[in-house]
Amino acid sequence: SQTIHQWPATLVQPVGSPLSLECTVEGTSNPNLYWYRQAAGRGLQLLFYSVGIGQISSEVPQNLSASRPQDRQFILSSKKLLLSDSGFYLCAWSVRGGGRNTIYFGEGSWLTVV
Amino acid sequence: AQSVTQLDSQVPVFEEAPVELRCNYSSSVSVYLFWYVQYPNQGLQLLLKYLSGSTLVKGINGFEAEFNKSQTSFHLRKPSVHISDTAEYFCAVKVRDRDDKIIFGKGTRLHILP
Repeated sequence: SQTIHQWPATLVQPVGSPLSLECTVEGTSNPNLYWYRQAAGRGLQLLFYSVGIGQISSEVPQNLSASRPQDRQFILSSKKLLLSDSGFYLCAWSVRGGGRNTIYFGEGSWLTVV
Repeated sequence: AQSVTQLDSQVPVFEEAPVELRCNYSSSVSVYLFWYVQYPNQGLQLLLKYLSGSTLVKGINGFEAEFNKSQTSFHLRKPSVHISDTAEYFCAVKVRDRDDKIIFGKGTRLHILP
C-alpha cells in the first residue's frame, strides 16, 4: 500500500533562518506531488505542485521554493523565513491519471516562526 | 481558472440534527469535485468525490453530496450528526483529464453542540 511521510512534525524557527521540510511517498511511482499551507483563517493554499522530477509549478509568489530531486521526494525550502511563513504545511500526492484520482495527504508539519 | 467558494466559515449544529455545508465552484471546463475532512491537528482525508454518473454521491461516515451542474454547486449533507463529526470540511475542484493542481475552498468548521 502507498504511504506518505512528512517531517519534521513541528518546527520552531527564528526569523531569517532557513527551512527544509521533506516529504516522501512509498508504494507508488510517478506520483503528482503537492505542497499546501494552511494558515489560520485562510483555508488551504496550494504552494507548489509537481508532475515529474524537476517539474515544479509555483502558485504563489513568496520566499519559499520547492524541489523534487527524486521521483517520490518533494522538499519545501526557504533561505530566510518570515513571520508570515508560520502555518501548517501539508504534503500530498496523487496517482497520475487525468485528475480523477484521490489526493492523499501527509500528517502535516507545524511551523512557527518567532 | 477554477475557484471554489465555501459560503460558511463556521456552522454550529445540534447533535443528531441534519447539516448541509455549502460549496459552489467556478470553471469554464469540466471538473471533478471532492470533499475532504480534517480532524484537529491532522492531515486531510477524502470523504467523497464526484467524477461522473449519478449526481448523488455517498461517502464515508454517512455523508453525501449532490452535484448540481446548473447551479455549479456540490453541497455536503448528513441527516444526523454526531460529536465525532466535529472537524473542518474542505470542498475541492480539479480539472478533468489533466494532471495538475487541485484547488480547495477555505473550509467550513463544523461545530457539534450537545
